[in-house]
Amino acid sequence: NAGVTQTPKFRILKIGQSMTLQCTQDMNHNYMYWYRQDPGMGLKLIYYSVGAGITDKGEVPNGYNVSRSTTEDFPLRLELAAPSQTSVYFCASSPRTYNEQFFGPGTRLTVL
Amino acid sequence: GQQVMQIPQYQHVQEGEDFTTYCNSSTTLSNIQWYKQRPGGHPVFLIQLVKSGEVKKQKRLTFQFGEAKKNSSLHITATQTTDVGTYFCAGLPYPGTYKYIFGTGTRLKVLA
Repeated sequence: NAGVTQTPKFRILKIGQSMTLQCTQDMNHNYMYWYRQDPGMGLKLIYYSVGAGITDKGEVPNGYNVSRSTTEDFPLRLELAAPSQTSVYFCASSPRTYNEQFFGPGTRLTVL
Repeated sequence: GQQVMQIPQYQHVQEGEDFTTYCNSSTTLSNIQWYKQRPGGHPVFLIQLVKSGEVKKQKRLTFQFGEAKKNSSLHITATQTTDVGTYFCAGLPYPGTYKYIFGTGTRLKVLA
């Protein structure tokens, strides 16, 4: 099993550009999460999904969108990138609520 | 809003000394998870506590969940250089929710 994979690893965007961060898991987990981690800080939940076709907002959803058309994939879309979105983005998956979360390696995004 | 604070923010110890990090929630938690993140890496699950007053051990690591289920601690005995990293707690607040709130993290540095 590859676990949770994320692409790209690094990306530099200009203000106003858009991009999609990809996340795929091969563990057949129903729950998937997107977090952002600012330098020296904890993780903040952006969006989460409890299954294909079901998504909901987390703590910091503004400026982002998600979709979940399959169990495996949970892409995160940034529209009109802003410097405040400079961060490391982690995708995670879990079989159920009361289970450990498996994290991907992260995408380091810089918006200039 | 709901918050999970951790203290201390940073801790430098000599190899062989003990280390403790504390996690305090503003609300009662249904469970709490602990993660370790090495520098430049992603969070890795350590353990989950569910019951009031629960204590779990993993080799040199001891985890406790408070009686009121609002606080938790992680204690490392005789630290080693391999313990270096940031330790995060993540709590699931009542009532039933899928949104974990991560603590602010404690960064541990071990001096050989």
